[in-house]
Amino acid sequence: SQTIHQWPATLVQPVGSPLSLECTVEGTSNPNLYWYRQAAGRGLQLLFYSVGIGQISSEVPQNLSASRPQDRQFILSSKKLLLSDSGFYLCAWSVSQDTEAFFGQGTRLTVV
Amino acid sequence: SQQGEEDPQALSIQEGENATMNCSYKTSINNLQWYRQNSGRGLVHLILIRSNEREKHSGRLRVTLDTSKKSSSLLITASRAADTASYFCATAPYYGNNRLAFGKGNQVVVIP
Repeated sequence: SQTIHQWPATLVQPVGSPLSLECTVEGTSNPNLYWYRQAAGRGLQLLFYSVGIGQISSEVPQNLSASRPQDRQFILSSKKLLLSDSGFYLCAWSVSQDTEAFFGQGTRLTVV
Repeated sequence: SQQGEEDPQALSIQEGENATMNCSYKTSINNLQWYRQNSGRGLVHLILIRSNEREKHSGRLRVTLDTSKKSSSLLITASRAADTASYFCATAPYYGNNRLAFGKGNQVVVIP
């Protein structure tokens, strides 16, 4: 069966520090991968999606970047965090755009 | 944007009652999906309804889709305390761009 792992679960980082959040998927090949951010009490904002290794599409220009070094690995990064980067980050995968998405448990990032 | 917009934002009901929430969208879709999110966790897929379907059932869930009005509704019958969560609709675009667009979500509180 397929599983998705996302870590860490919580993270407190100072302003200006770098960020690396990792997500891996098991049990499937060539998944579509997504990074979402959810502000408190709000909906999901799509940050990045990828349809294959090295193929990253950015939805919102910002202080973050994403990479897909391996087929089932998706990394969200920042060189210098801002206070506004605080939020709940969710990784997800799907077989294709018209199938259901499977989410990781999320990372609660607090930038102080 | 095809972002869904749920209505109402928050709903508080007694256990055993039915809960209904709505979602509207703006452009052509391939399918519409509903997800549940328990507090501080990832989203869990509930049900997918395709653009050529009008109604779909899954256990105590009933989803309707009206493509002429670009709207969908999710009905939870005989609610339980465990149904307390936020519920999101997401639209998969008809014209391929490999991403789901999520609405802001409905918070449902079921009082035992």
